[in-house]
Amino acid sequence: ETGVTQTPRHLVMGMTNKKSLKCEQHLGHNAMYWYKQSAKKPLELMFVYSLEERVENNSVPSRFSPECPNSSHLFLHLHTLQPEDSALYLCASSQGAGTAGFYEQYFGPGTRLTVT
Amino acid sequence: AQSVTQLGSHVSVSEGALVLLRCNYSSSVPPYLFWYVQYPNQGLQLLLKYTSAATLVKGINGFEAEFKKSETSFHLTKPSAHMSDAAEYFCAVSADSGGSYIPTFGRGTSLIVHP
Repeated sequence: ETGVTQTPRHLVMGMTNKKSLKCEQHLGHNAMYWYKQSAKKPLELMFVYSLEERVENNSVPSRFSPECPNSSHLFLHLHTLQPEDSALYLCASSQGAGTAGFYEQYFGPGTRLTVT
Repeated sequence: AQSVTQLGSHVSVSEGALVLLRCNYSSSVPPYLFWYVQYPNQGLQLLLKYTSAATLVKGINGFEAEFKKSETSFHLTKPSAHMSDAAEYFCAVSADSGGSYIPTFGRGTSLIVHP
């Protein structure tokens, strides 16, 4: 595997379910990000991890819980979601976050989440 | 604080015509600027970036962008559009905000290419 991978690619879940999204980067980067992309809305930054420490949390509801066990893996744990949480969830990585702004981000293909 | 404005949520061109996608930014400190492309059912992919070297930046697939400080702009151009250029394009700015460089994205511009 190369680049940034995300699993699953598609997920349908009920409002009472608990599920997790997984992201893995094979680029040796030390920063990872979760974004939410909804139709007709701008890309929303949810969480940022730098060196496995959370450095940004943009007022995301507690029903979204991130986890970064090491610099290569990032999870987004989901529970009791709402229909408006249906969106494409994108994971990204970069060489640095918070220290070097010229590093571009590498994105995974996303997980299309539908909450019923 | 930093922000990005992309003028036009949709831009339609004919195949072979000039592509111009507009991006204006706001930043109180020198910014780093990026253009990303997103094809259907894929993540974002870097097209090009400005990092305070040359003001005219060349990217992949024949795209280029010019940083104009006086106009706070970073417009994306391509001389001749191909059908394969049809996609969503995002401009992003990253600038020092209290030691943090978290990027801010524009709302995106959908490029439509007609045969």
